[in-house]
Amino acid sequence: NAGVTQTPKFRILKIGQSMTLQCTQDMNHNYMYWYRQDPGMGLKLIYYSVGAGITDKGEVPNGYNVSRSTTEDFPLRLELAAPSQTSVYFCASSYGPPDGASYNEQFFGPGTRLTVL
Amino acid sequence: QKEVEQNSGPLSVPEGAIASLNCTYSDRGSQSFFWYRQYSGKSPELIMSIYSNGDKEDGRFTAQLNKASQYVSLLIRDSQPSDSATYLCAVNPTTGNQFYFGTGTSLTVIP
Repeated sequence: NAGVTQTPKFRILKIGQSMTLQCTQDMNHNYMYWYRQDPGMGLKLIYYSVGAGITDKGEVPNGYNVSRSTTEDFPLRLELAAPSQTSVYFCASSYGPPDGASYNEQFFGPGTRLTVL
Repeated sequence: QKEVEQNSGPLSVPEGAIASLNCTYSDRGSQSFFWYRQYSGKSPELIMSIYSNGDKEDGRFTAQLNKASQYVSLLIRDSQPSDSATYLCAVNPTTGNQFYFGTGTSLTVIP
Protein backbone atom coordinates (compact mmCIF):
# COMPACT_ATOMS: atom_id res chain seq x y z
CA ASN A 1 0.00 0.00 0.00
CA ALA A 2 1.97 3.01 -1.29
CA GLY A 3 -0.62 5.66 -0.30
CA VAL A 4 -0.36 8.82 -2.41
CA THR A 5 2.54 8.98 -4.82
CA GLN A 6 3.68 11.98 -6.86
CA THR A 7 6.11 12.33 -9.72
CA PRO A 8 8.45 14.00 -10.36
CA LYS A 9 9.96 15.06 -7.02
CA PHE A 10 11.74 18.04 -8.52
CA ARG A 11 11.48 19.88 -11.82
CA ILE A 12 12.87 23.04 -13.37
CA LEU A 13 10.89 24.57 -16.24
CA LYS A 14 11.55 27.48 -18.52
CA ILE A 15 8.91 30.15 -18.94
CA GLY A 16 6.29 29.03 -21.45
CA GLN A 17 7.01 25.31 -21.16
CA SER A 18 4.33 22.80 -20.26
CA MET A 19 4.33 19.81 -17.95
CA THR A 20 2.10 17.36 -16.13
CA LEU A 21 2.45 16.56 -12.44
CA GLN A 22 1.37 13.03 -11.76
CA CYS A 23 -0.58 11.85 -8.72
CA THR A 24 -1.73 8.32 -7.96
CA GLN A 25 -3.42 6.84 -4.90
CA ASP A 26 -4.02 3.17 -4.14
CA MET A 27 -6.50 3.58 -1.27
CA ASN A 28 -9.63 3.61 -3.44
CA HIS A 29 -10.35 7.16 -2.29
CA ASN A 30 -13.10 9.11 -3.99
CA TYR A 31 -11.79 12.61 -3.29
CA MET A 32 -8.53 13.94 -4.64
CA TYR A 33 -6.99 17.39 -4.32
CA TRP A 34 -4.15 19.49 -5.67
CA TYR A 35 -2.58 22.17 -3.46
CA ARG A 36 0.31 24.53 -3.89
CA GLN A 37 2.42 25.86 -1.04
CA ASP A 38 4.56 28.93 -1.47
CA PRO A 39 7.49 29.52 0.93
CA GLY A 40 6.31 30.38 4.44
CA MET A 41 2.68 30.09 3.44
CA GLY A 42 -0.17 27.69 3.97
CA LEU A 43 -1.64 25.47 1.30
CA LYS A 44 -3.90 26.85 -1.41
CA LEU A 45 -6.34 24.54 -3.17
CA ILE A 46 -5.96 24.51 -6.97
CA TYR A 47 -8.47 21.86 -8.06
CA TYR A 48 -10.27 18.95 -6.52
CA SER A 49 -12.28 15.95 -7.64
CA VAL A 50 -15.06 14.04 -5.88
CA GLY A 51 -14.88 11.06 -8.22
CA ALA A 52 -13.85 9.87 -11.67
CA GLY A 53 -15.03 12.30 -14.32
CA ILE A 54 -15.85 15.09 -11.84
CA THR A 55 -13.53 18.03 -11.14
CA ASP A 56 -14.01 21.48 -9.66
CA LYS A 57 -11.97 24.63 -9.13
CA GLY A 58 -10.42 25.60 -5.83
CA GLU A 59 -9.04 28.96 -4.71
CA VAL A 60 -6.24 29.34 -7.28
CA PRO A 61 -7.10 27.44 -10.51
CA ASN A 62 -5.77 29.92 -13.09
CA GLY A 63 -2.94 28.51 -15.20
CA TYR A 64 -3.75 24.88 -14.36
CA ASN A 65 -5.92 22.09 -15.71
CA VAL A 66 -6.87 18.70 -14.34
CA SER A 67 -8.62 15.52 -15.40
CA ARG A 68 -9.85 12.48 -13.50
CA SER A 69 -10.40 9.55 -15.84
CA THR A 70 -9.82 6.88 -13.17
CA THR A 71 -10.30 6.67 -9.41
CA GLU A 72 -6.55 6.28 -8.88
CA ASP A 73 -5.06 9.10 -10.97
CA PHE A 74 -5.42 12.87 -10.82
CA PRO A 75 -2.83 14.62 -13.02
CA LEU A 76 -2.27 18.38 -12.90
CA ARG A 77 -1.34 20.13 -16.13
CA LEU A 78 0.58 23.41 -16.43
CA GLU A 79 0.21 24.70 -19.98
CA LEU A 80 2.36 27.85 -20.09
CA ALA A 81 4.65 27.93 -17.10
CA ALA A 82 5.20 31.28 -15.41
CA PRO A 83 7.57 32.26 -12.57
CA SER A 84 4.52 32.78 -10.34
CA GLN A 85 3.94 29.01 -10.51
CA THR A 86 7.21 28.30 -8.70
CA SER A 87 5.99 26.41 -5.65
CA VAL A 88 5.71 23.04 -3.95
CA TYR A 89 2.72 21.06 -5.20
CA PHE A 90 0.97 18.55 -2.98
CA CYS A 91 -1.60 16.01 -4.05
CA ALA A 92 -3.96 14.60 -1.41
CA SER A 93 -6.78 12.11 -1.26
CA SER A 94 -9.58 11.14 1.09
CA TYR A 95 -12.45 8.69 1.16
CA GLY A 96 -15.07 11.42 1.61
CA PRO A 97 -15.36 15.19 2.17
CA PRO A 98 -13.38 16.93 4.92
CA ASP A 99 -16.18 16.78 7.50
CA GLY A 100 -13.99 15.85 10.47
CA ALA A 101 -14.82 12.16 10.48
CA SER A 102 -11.69 10.06 11.00
CA TYR A 103 -12.39 7.94 7.91
CA ASN A 104 -12.38 11.10 5.78
CA GLU A 105 -8.87 12.14 6.74
CA GLN A 106 -6.84 13.63 3.88
CA PHE A 107 -3.58 11.85 3.10
CA PHE A 108 -0.87 13.85 1.37
CA GLY A 109 1.72 12.82 -1.14
CA PRO A 110 5.40 13.79 -0.71
CA GLY A 111 5.15 16.82 -2.99
CA THR A 112 6.71 18.08 -6.22
CA ARG A 113 9.07 21.04 -6.01
CA LEU A 114 8.70 23.09 -9.20
CA THR A 115 10.88 26.02 -10.24
CA VAL A 116 10.04 28.15 -13.28
CA LEU A 117 12.90 30.25 -14.62
CA GLN B 1 -12.64 34.86 0.77
CA LYS B 2 -12.57 32.21 3.46
CA GLU B 3 -9.93 33.55 5.84
CA VAL B 4 -8.03 31.49 8.33
CA GLU B 5 -5.58 33.43 10.46
CA GLN B 6 -2.69 32.11 12.47
CA ASN B 7 0.17 33.79 14.29
CA SER B 8 3.16 32.88 12.14
CA GLY B 9 5.49 32.82 15.14
CA PRO B 10 8.08 31.58 15.58
CA LEU B 11 6.95 30.21 18.91
CA SER B 12 9.63 28.82 21.19
CA VAL B 13 8.94 26.78 24.32
CA PRO B 14 11.26 24.79 26.59
CA GLU B 15 11.05 21.02 26.61
CA GLY B 16 8.30 19.80 28.92
CA ALA B 17 6.27 23.02 28.69
CA ILE B 18 2.81 23.52 27.17
CA ALA B 19 2.74 24.96 23.66
CA SER B 20 -0.40 26.89 22.72
CA LEU B 21 -1.26 27.49 19.07
CA ASN B 22 -4.19 29.62 18.00
CA CYS B 23 -6.29 30.03 14.86
CA THR B 24 -9.23 32.29 14.00
CA TYR B 25 -11.57 32.00 11.04
CA SER B 26 -13.97 34.33 9.30
CA ASP B 27 -16.76 32.06 8.04
CA ARG B 28 -19.20 31.78 10.95
CA GLY B 29 -20.89 28.76 9.36
CA SER B 30 -17.71 26.67 9.28
CA GLN B 31 -18.31 23.07 10.24
CA SER B 32 -15.09 21.23 10.89
CA PHE B 33 -11.57 22.16 11.88
CA PHE B 34 -8.22 20.49 11.54
CA TRP B 35 -4.68 20.76 12.84
CA TYR B 36 -1.84 19.50 10.64
CA ARG B 37 1.82 19.20 11.49
CA GLN B 38 4.41 19.79 8.78
CA TYR B 39 8.09 19.10 9.24
CA SER B 40 10.48 21.11 7.10
CA GLY B 41 10.53 19.74 3.54
CA LYS B 42 7.80 17.20 4.26
CA SER B 43 4.10 16.93 3.57
CA PRO B 44 1.42 17.82 6.14
CA GLU B 45 0.08 15.10 8.42
CA LEU B 46 -3.17 15.29 10.36
CA ILE B 47 -2.93 15.59 14.15
CA MET B 48 -6.47 16.40 15.22
CA SER B 49 -9.87 17.18 13.85
CA ILE B 50 -12.73 18.75 15.82
CA TYR B 51 -16.27 19.82 14.96
CA SER B 52 -18.05 20.28 18.29
CA ASN B 53 -17.55 23.13 20.73
CA GLY B 54 -15.28 22.27 23.63
CA ASP B 55 -12.14 20.23 24.04
CA LYS B 56 -10.95 17.08 22.30
CA GLU B 57 -7.94 15.25 23.67
CA ASP B 58 -5.63 12.77 21.99
CA GLY B 59 -2.55 11.88 23.96
CA ARG B 60 -0.47 15.01 24.54
CA PHE B 61 -2.62 17.02 22.12
CA THR B 62 -5.82 18.91 22.95
CA ALA B 63 -7.87 20.78 20.38
CA GLN B 64 -10.25 23.46 21.63
CA LEU B 65 -13.11 24.92 19.59
CA ASN B 66 -15.22 27.98 20.31
CA LYS B 67 -17.60 28.63 17.41
CA ALA B 68 -19.15 31.71 19.01
CA SER B 69 -15.74 33.40 19.14
CA GLN B 70 -14.61 31.76 15.89
CA TYR B 71 -11.38 30.36 17.15
CA VAL B 72 -9.75 26.99 17.43
CA SER B 73 -6.60 26.21 19.35
CA LEU B 74 -4.15 23.37 19.81
CA LEU B 75 -2.39 22.66 23.08
CA ILE B 76 0.65 20.42 23.19
CA ARG B 77 1.48 19.22 26.68
CA ASP B 78 4.93 18.02 27.74
CA SER B 79 6.42 19.45 24.54
CA GLN B 80 9.27 17.45 23.01
CA PRO B 81 11.98 18.53 20.56
CA SER B 82 10.33 16.20 18.04
CA ASP B 83 7.28 18.51 18.15
CA SER B 84 9.34 21.23 16.46
CA ALA B 85 7.50 21.82 13.19
CA THR B 86 5.04 24.14 11.49
CA TYR B 87 1.43 23.66 12.59
CA LEU B 88 -1.27 24.40 10.03
CA CYS B 89 -4.87 25.15 10.92
CA ALA B 90 -7.49 24.20 8.32
CA VAL B 91 -11.19 25.02 8.26
CA ASN B 92 -14.05 23.46 6.30
CA PRO B 93 -16.50 26.25 5.48
CA THR B 94 -20.17 25.86 4.78
CA THR B 95 -19.61 24.83 1.17
CA GLY B 96 -18.32 21.45 2.28
CA ASN B 97 -15.99 19.85 -0.27
CA GLN B 98 -12.79 21.70 0.46
CA PHE B 99 -11.06 23.42 3.24
CA TYR B 100 -8.84 26.45 3.73
CA PHE B 101 -5.48 26.55 5.41
CA GLY B 102 -3.88 29.20 7.54
CA THR B 103 -0.27 30.18 6.91
CA GLY B 104 0.98 28.08 9.80
CA THR B 105 2.76 28.67 13.11
CA SER B 106 6.39 27.62 13.45
CA LEU B 107 7.08 25.91 16.79
CA THR B 108 10.52 25.24 18.23
CA VAL B 109 10.89 23.15 21.38
CA ILE B 110 14.19 23.91 23.09
CA PRO B 111 15.88 20.95 24.85
